[in-house]
Formats: sequence, C-alpha cells, structure tokens
Amino acid sequence: KAGVTQTPRYLIKTRGQQVTLSCSPISGHRSVSWYQQTPGQGLQFLFEYFSETQRNKGNFPGRFSGRQFSNSRSEMNVSTLELGDSALYLCASSFGTSGQYNEQFFGPGTRLTVL
Amino acid sequence: AQKITQTQPGMFVQEKEAVTLDCTYDTSDPSYGLFWYKQPSSGEMIFLIYQGSYDQQNATEGRYSLNFQKARKSANLVISASQLGDSAMYFCASGGGATNKLIFGTGTLLAVQP
Repeated sequence: KAGVTQTPRYLIKTRGQQVTLSCSPISGHRSVSWYQQTPGQGLQFLFEYFSETQRNKGNFPGRFSGRQFSNSRSEMNVSTLELGDSALYLCASSFGTSGQYNEQFFGPGTRLTVL
Repeated sequence: AQKITQTQPGMFVQEKEAVTLDCTYDTSDPSYGLFWYKQPSSGEMIFLIYQGSYDQQNATEGRYSLNFQKARKSANLVISASQLGDSAMYFCASGGGATNKLIFGTGTLLAVQP
C-alpha cells in the first residue's frame, strides 16, 4: 500500500511569490491535515480537509489556504511569501472518521526556503 | 486549549539500554488521545504508539510502551533495548474531539551511543 506522497520535496522561492504544495493521501483516506514545522515555533497545525471541506483550521493568516479534490488529494497555497514561511510542511492522511481516533500517516514533507 | 510539554530537549542512552522520554499534557477535552512520533533527520514523521484516554491498559508496540498516568497527566514513552537507529527526534502529541488536529510538544532529541 503506497504511503503519503508530497510534491515537490524541496522548493526555493523569493519573498512576495506564491507557492502551491501537493499531498496525495493513502488510498481510502479522506482526511488530509497540514502542519508547518519551524525551529522556532515547532510543529503547528494549519488546517484539515475532509471530503473536500475544511473541517478545522489553525491560527495562521489568510495567506495560507488549502483545498481538497474529489480524489482526496490536497493542495495548500501560500501567497505573498515571507522569510518566516521557510519551513518543513508536512501533510498527514487518515480515514478521518468522526468521533473516534484515527491514526495519522505523515508524508515526507516539502521543505520550503524563502529567500 | 490543549498543551503538550516535553521537558527534555536532548537525551543520551547507551545502546541496548532502556530510556524514558517524558511528556505531560493539559487538556479540557473529556476524551482524548496521546500519540508519540519519531522524526529522523530525513524529516518524515513515523507513528510509534497511541493511547486513548479511556484505555485501561498502557499501550505497547514492540520495543515501545507508553506509561500512561492519567491523574498526573503524563504519557511517557519507554523504549526498551535502544538501538542506534533509534537516534531521532521524538514528539509527543495530543488529539481530541471530532477533528484530526494534533497538538505537538517541542520534542526530545535522542542520541543512542554505541
């Protein structure tokens, strides 16, 4: 069974640009969550998508957005990049069944560097 | 709000010895789960073990066990018979309710010495 895939693995952008990251969950999983990991702030939850709907959102500015497609693949977009957006972006997939705990499987991450 | 505290920024352990990584949590959710993840230098997060708040017995997965003390709000990870490949960052996380949102601690960097 294929794991969670994230593309691209590495990305270099300059301030002011925008970027789109992609996450393909494990087959059958309907929930995709995104996390940002930085040395200063640690691992922080960005948002979760389930069945094409944003189900939960973290405390990030509106420059961070996402969407999920009917095949459960998800994209996140960051507009007007800032230096502080340099981070490892991780996505996690799960069945997402409400009311019970779902083991989350993480992808290898996309390392974004903003110059 | 949920909060996870990992007070050990780094730890050393000799190969084949056991090691305990500390984790305390604070949550107002009546039902919650506690997770441990391993993050090698390559960056991917590897799920290790899960404990539900209503589980009566401590979770075990191979060489990993979770020492869950609900009254003390602690969920320590015990790794038995450490191996060189266990050298990595370890994160404790909590999740609760109807979402998959995980709250992570700051992590503990474990170095296994031969």
